Amino acid sequence: SQTIHQWPATLVQPVGSPLSLECTVEGTSNPNLYWYRQAAGRGLQLLFYSVGIGQISSEVPQNLSASRPQDRQFILSSKKLLLSDSGFYLCAWATSGGTDTQYFGPGTRLTVL
Amino acid sequence: KQEVTQIPAALSVPEGENLVLNCSFTDSAIYNLQWFRQDPGKGLTSLLLIQSSQREQTSGRLNASLDKSSGRSTLYIAASQPGDSATYLCAVRPIVSSGSARQLTFGSGTQLTVLP
Repeated sequence: SQTIHQWPATLVQPVGSPLSLECTVEGTSNPNLYWYRQAAGRGLQLLFYSVGIGQISSEVPQNLSASRPQDRQFILSSKKLLLSDSGFYLCAWATSGGTDTQYFGPGTRLTVL
Repeated sequence: KQEVTQIPAALSVPEGENLVLNCSFTDSAIYNLQWFRQDPGKGLTSLLLIQSSQREQTSGRLNASLDKSSGRSTLYIAASQPGDSATYLCAVRPIVSSGSARQLTFGSGTQLTVLP
């Protein structure tokens, strides 16, 4: 069966510090991968998606970047965090050309102080 | 641009009640619609997925309907239980989108509390 991992689970970082969140998927090959951010009381905002290694599409201009160094690894990064980067970050995967259901990881709670 | 709205934002019901959660979307050109459940501080769990050609899907005490022409979906929960307390989100996938990944557009959710 497929599983998706995210770490860390929680993170408190000062403004201006770098960020690296990691997501890995097990039990599937060549998945579509997604990074979402969820602000308090709001829906999910798609930040990045990837259909293959090294292929990253950005949905909104922002202070963040994403990379996919391996087939089942997706990394969200920032060189300098802003207060507005605080939120709940969710990684998700879906089969490419499959049923289109997205499966979500447990999330990372990021607080920027 | 697709917009997804969920009303009410919060709902509190006594245990055992049947309830309906609503989702509306502005662009009826959708590929499918999904309902998710999110427990506090957790990720999302997919509950039901309705393809655009379908009218409803059922799983246990849950029934989701889709009326594409009117841009509406409902999630019916029968005989609610305290364990059903969570935030329920709907999301639509467009028929056409930029790139090949067909991004989902999410509503902001309905926070459900089932009182024992």
